[in-house]
Amino acid sequence: GDSVTQMEGPVTLSEEAFLTINCTYTATGYPSLFWYVQYPGEGLQLLLKATKADDKGSNKGFEATYRKETTSFHLEKGSVQVSDSAVYFCALHWRTGGFKTIFGAGTRLFVKA
Amino acid sequence: DADVTQTPRNRITKTGKRIMLECSQTKGHDRMYWYRQDPGLGLRLIYYSFDVKDINKGEISDGYSVSRQAQAKFSLSLESAIPNQTALYFCATSTSGRAGETQYFGPGTRLLVL
Repeated sequence: GDSVTQMEGPVTLSEEAFLTINCTYTATGYPSLFWYVQYPGEGLQLLLKATKADDKGSNKGFEATYRKETTSFHLEKGSVQVSDSAVYFCALHWRTGGFKTIFGAGTRLFVKA
Repeated sequence: DADVTQTPRNRITKTGKRIMLECSQTKGHDRMYWYRQDPGLGLRLIYYSFDVKDINKGEISDGYSVSRQAQAKFSLSLESAIPNQTALYFCATSTSGRAGETQYFGPGTRLLVL
């Protein structure tokens, strides 16, 4: 069946370090791919998305590329800040055949000053 | 003011009690959703509604019911709460059409069932 696998956390980095959070998926059809971020005590909010193969989503210095050949959507940022500490969720969404969204389990990121 | 609000933010109840969690939105979106979040499991869909007269079961609807009282309001009820319903519950909204892929989440309701 369809599924999303994220790297287990927590991920702990020093400020200005390079970030990669891996996300791989198994999917039928052609879903759109998302990264959502959840700050402490808040709901999820969209970070970036990509709707088709080879698309790159980007926002606030984060980016991820929809790789159909490797079924991946890894999140990267060149220089993290303390304020990036949060939980990051990879998600898939299908536009056809009714409503379907699958979320990964989330990866917690801690950034130290 | 927040676009998607949830009440209460925290709730403690006992096994067997009926409780209701409420969600309101000012975004003008026609679609609304209820999810639960458990540690290590991500979010799982409970129910969703594409308009006032439309209610659909999600992945884990057993033990839950919903009511879409108006376009802006979507309530989740636990008819007889049990301890394994202890979780963080999120309401979300979206538009219809292609732009509706992005969901907008409320701040969550933390529920503890004793």
